[in-house]
Amino acid sequence: AQSVTQPDIHITVSEGASLELRCNYSYGATPYLFWYVQSPGQGLQLLLKYFSGDTLVQGIKGFEAEFKRSQSSFNLRKPSVHWSDAAEYFCAVGAYSGAGSYQLTFGKGTKLSVIP
Amino acid sequence: NAGVTQTPKFQVLKTGQSMTLQCAQDMNHNSMYWYRQDPGMGLRLIYYSASEGTTDKGEVPNGYNVSRLNKREFSLRLESAAPSQTSVYFCASSEGVKLAGGTGELFFGEGSRLTVL
Repeated sequence: AQSVTQPDIHITVSEGASLELRCNYSYGATPYLFWYVQSPGQGLQLLLKYFSGDTLVQGIKGFEAEFKRSQSSFNLRKPSVHWSDAAEYFCAVGAYSGAGSYQLTFGKGTKLSVIP
Repeated sequence: NAGVTQTPKFQVLKTGQSMTLQCAQDMNHNSMYWYRQDPGMGLRLIYYSASEGTTDKGEVPNGYNVSRLNKREFSLRLESAAPSQTSVYFCASSEGVKLAGGTGELFFGEGSRLTVL
């Protein structure tokens, strides 16, 4: 079964600083990888996804992520954080079960706080 | 575009009461899911339905039942609510990646906040 680890529970950065949120996954085959963002009291919004091809993927709101197979990682980055980026971020891995059903498994999330 | 719609958005129950969370999607997706979200635990899969007429247990199914009423609707029922079921519940739908047009992502509703006293 697949799993996702987000090592950092809470990160605080200053506005304008760079950001990197870590994500490690465990899955035997080529994974389908996702990053979602959740603002307080809201649902989940997709930031970006990786299926195959270029290992550096661009997403919405200026975010990017890099897939590194050798490290089983899919870290999320942003060069300059804005106060509106304060939210909780979830990494997820998608996979098909032996019965052919598709599921996403989520990490426990990283809460981002931004200091003005 | 409604996407995924959940009702109710908020509910307070007493221990032992029953209730049903409703979910409907208008994207013609085959797969639908119910997750619960608890602080520090991320999203955990309760039940899912890979297609109309099928349902399967996820990671935390105890205390819940589901019904895939048709392709659009997937309901979650708590037969006898317990305080441990206080949570935010999310419904989602997806087309996976293998079918034409499948993007692999899950589309989420806005959540239903349930408190069991």
